[in-house]
Amino acid sequence: GESVGLHLPTLSVQEGDNSIINCAYSNSASDYFIWYKQESGKGPQFIIDIRSNMDKRQGQRVTVLLNKTVKHLSLQIAATQPGDSAVYFCALKEGFQKLVFGTGTRLLVSP
Amino acid sequence: NAGVTQTPKFQVLKTGQSMTLQCAQDMNHNSMYWYRQDPGMGLRLIYYSASEGTTDKGEVPNGYNVSRLNKREFSLRLESAAPSQTSVYFCASSGSGPYSNQPQHFGDGTRLSIL
Repeated sequence: GESVGLHLPTLSVQEGDNSIINCAYSNSASDYFIWYKQESGKGPQFIIDIRSNMDKRQGQRVTVLLNKTVKHLSLQIAATQPGDSAVYFCALKEGFQKLVFGTGTRLLVSP
Repeated sequence: NAGVTQTPKFQVLKTGQSMTLQCAQDMNHNSMYWYRQDPGMGLRLIYYSASEGTTDKGEVPNGYNVSRLNKREFSLRLESAAPSQTSVYFCASSGSGPYSNQPQHFGDGTRLSIL
């Protein structure tokens, strides 16, 4: 099966800083990648996705970068806010609509 | 704007008891999924249903059964609960098509403890 890893289990930032959360994957055949945010006691919430024919995609305050050469995915959050504090998961598609999730990075935002 | 609704939110069982976790979605999605999430780990797929009338095993199906009751509802059953099944269970749904790439949308989970 797919393996998905994260570079850091916890990331601490100051309010207003930019945050970068990284994810490495091993299956070069994966063609779809998603970032989710999970707050305490809640289910994962979709943030942004990217297809393998793209290198970059932007949303509101978030940017996802995909480097297929080194099999690396990152999520950038601009002007991080206390409300961004959560666990962030990357996930990639394996087979028909099956997602494989990383173990998560906890983002802590200090005021 | 309910999205994916899971019931119950919390449950405590004794070893050997049976239970069905319920999930319903109102987004007219064809595909539905059950995951479990254990501390310090990502979500692991238990079973999924690509469309009404079909179900398939995921990564960790042992000890579970599922039923796709109709397009809206997908239930997960524990026939004889074991302490190793203590976890948070999430249901998700996504749009249709085997070649489409669409995000899965999750409910808020059922927290299940087995003593």
